[in-house]
Amino acid sequence: KQEVTQIPAALSVPEGENLVLNCSFTDSAIYNLQWFRQDPGKGLTSLLLIQSSQREQTSGRLNASLDKSSGRSTLYIAASQPGDSATYLCAVRRSNYQLIWGAGTKLIIKP
Amino acid sequence: DAGVIQSPRHEVTEMGQEVTLRCKPISGHNSLFWYRQTMMRGLELLIYFNNNVPIDDSGMPEDRFSAKMPNASFSTLKIQPSEPRDSAVYFCASSSLRDRGTGNTEAFFGQGTRLTVV
Repeated sequence: KQEVTQIPAALSVPEGENLVLNCSFTDSAIYNLQWFRQDPGKGLTSLLLIQSSQREQTSGRLNASLDKSSGRSTLYIAASQPGDSATYLCAVRRSNYQLIWGAGTKLIIKP
Repeated sequence: DAGVIQSPRHEVTEMGQEVTLRCKPISGHNSLFWYRQTMMRGLELLIYFNNNVPIDDSGMPEDRFSAKMPNASFSTLKIQPSEPRDSAVYFCASSSLRDRGTGNTEAFFGQGTRLTVV
């Protein structure tokens, strides 16, 4: 059974710091992995999608990596800003439609 | 495209009443998902449609829940009768599985409907 874990559950860092969010999964047989952002009371915004054959994806200050063999993905945020404060969720696609979700990391960037 | 559109954004109803949530997926997407999010259980997949056909409804909690997709541009999730424990945020998401050859199955979410049953 695929399980997705995100550690830490919450993280608070000063503005300007680079930071890494972690996502681990138990079954390496995945189609892809997707990182989402959720602001309080809002929907989920897709940030990055990494296919199972890829090692990383970049979008602006965000870089996501994928290591299937070790069952890990990281989301790197460079030069963090208060506007980055949100909950970040990772989800792995284990079949053509099933997304298995982590519980999320609540990130607070202090001005 | 305006993205996945859900209505209403907020719904407050009394226990026992019928609730209908609506979703318009992204045009051209052939897969639609209904999720429920609570603090206790996180995101749970309720039902998945592909080409308007329900493929997996194993996540639907009880017979009080039903979902339909009469056409490619509209879906409803109905709760009848509603109960306080149904209070949650309900999300609709869509994706395109036509590109399965390239593996591009990114999911796009609506803003959600916050349901409160009192």
